[in-house]
Amino acid sequence: DGGITQSPKYLFRKEGQNVTLSCEQNLNHDAMYWYRQDPGQGLRLIYYSQIVNDFQKGDIAEGYSVSREKKESFPLTVTSAQKNPTAFYLCASSSHRGEEIHYGYTFGSGTRLTVV
Amino acid sequence: QQQVKQSPQSLIVQKGGISIINCAYENTAFDYFPWYQQFPGKGPALLIAIRPDVSEKKEGRFTISFNKSAKQFSLHIMDSQPGDSATYFCASRAGNTGKLIFGQGTTLQVKP
Repeated sequence: DGGITQSPKYLFRKEGQNVTLSCEQNLNHDAMYWYRQDPGQGLRLIYYSQIVNDFQKGDIAEGYSVSREKKESFPLTVTSAQKNPTAFYLCASSSHRGEEIHYGYTFGSGTRLTVV
Repeated sequence: QQQVKQSPQSLIVQKGGISIINCAYENTAFDYFPWYQQFPGKGPALLIAIRPDVSEKKEGRFTISFNKSAKQFSLHIMDSQPGDSATYFCASRAGNTGKLIFGQGTTLQVKP
């Protein structure tokens, strides 16, 4: 079945450590997105990529970095510069095809990151 | 211009009742309005969506009502069930970029 796979499901980070969250999709989608979710604050866009080798900052990009070397993969690195990284991270993808059925996002199951 | 405002933030409904969640948008260039349902610890999943040339869309117990002139749309859940307890997000699509702009979310609790 096609879908988005996020790993790991749970991740623990020590102070000052960089960690990388994986996001892989086999939907042949062009665009991929990373969101951060905190209780009561909805979905906040971190980074997004419309095509391979190109990405743009979202609303809360500080302390995060991404790469898009392959269409299927969009890893997110949470750097030590992110002072409050404990949150639920969601990856999503979407197609650029013009039909309405392709307008929505497909989300992964998320990674819960905790600073210890 | 890019905001989507969602209300209420939380909602408690008795089993069998009607749950109503409202969203308002500002940008008239939005061309697609989906609702997502999210259970705890899971990613959001598309529930139902509507285009601006339609005033209502119904799928089972879920209905979207769309008011283009008021730039508002709402989700109605008929005969609400405890299994509907989840967080619901409305969204609007910016046609020129394909990006979805999400509302803040509504946590629905359906009491048995």
